[in-house]
Amino acid sequence: EVQLLETGGGLVQPGGSLRLSCAASGFTFSNYAMTWVRQAPGKGLEWVSAISGSGDNTKYADSVRGRFTISRDNSKNTLYLQMNSLRADDTAVYYCTKTLGPIAIKPGYWGQGTLIAVSS
Amino acid sequence: QAVVTQEPSLTVSPGGTVTLTCGSSTGTVTSGHFPYWFQQKPGQVPTTLIYETVKKLPWTPARFSGSLLGGKAALTLSGAQPEDEADYYCLLSFGGPGVFGGGTRLTVL
Repeated sequence: EVQLLETGGGLVQPGGSLRLSCAASGFTFSNYAMTWVRQAPGKGLEWVSAISGSGDNTKYADSVRGRFTISRDNSKNTLYLQMNSLRADDTAVYYCTKTLGPIAIKPGYWGQGTLIAVSS
Repeated sequence: QAVVTQEPSLTVSPGGTVTLTCGSSTGTVTSGHFPYWFQQKPGQVPTTLIYETVKKLPWTPARFSGSLLGGKAALTLSGAQPEDEADYYCLLSFGGPGVFGGGTRLTVL
């Protein structure tokens, strides 16, 4: 059974940094690209970033490019999202997702999400 | 960045059929956009219903189907059930980042 457990959420001040982690289990982690998707309170879904199974190919939404960095440690079956220069409009539930292939960019399986609140 | 458009809201009668669409500001949606469809019930995590235009996941109810229709991606629900009341999102690829549509709130009434 695919399991994705996000950690690292919380309250952070504008301009601050935070790193999200996603511990994956139930599948061969390195065989699948992974993504982050977020959802602001009461709003729709927003695709944030994706990383290939090998980790050598990454993509970002325009809204986070240059501020967020996606990475993975295949030896630890863990996905990361380093978020810098956080803004109020980054406030959202962040979902870790497993794609359906090694270079896909879209979610197949979803974690439960972790809430990031950016506020002073 | 492209804009992906969906109907803000639709209503379907129990047992009825409804089609949700997903368009692109760049023009015709094709299989090359690899359309995905997601369902999100109130207070719940989204689930993936359809991938690559027409493919279903093991948990996708048979009453849901995906297609291309009139230059858009489409999600058709045949035989709507009360539990299908939810928000539905499409996601398209444009060679780089993925872009979600704004979502369609489907009411079964």
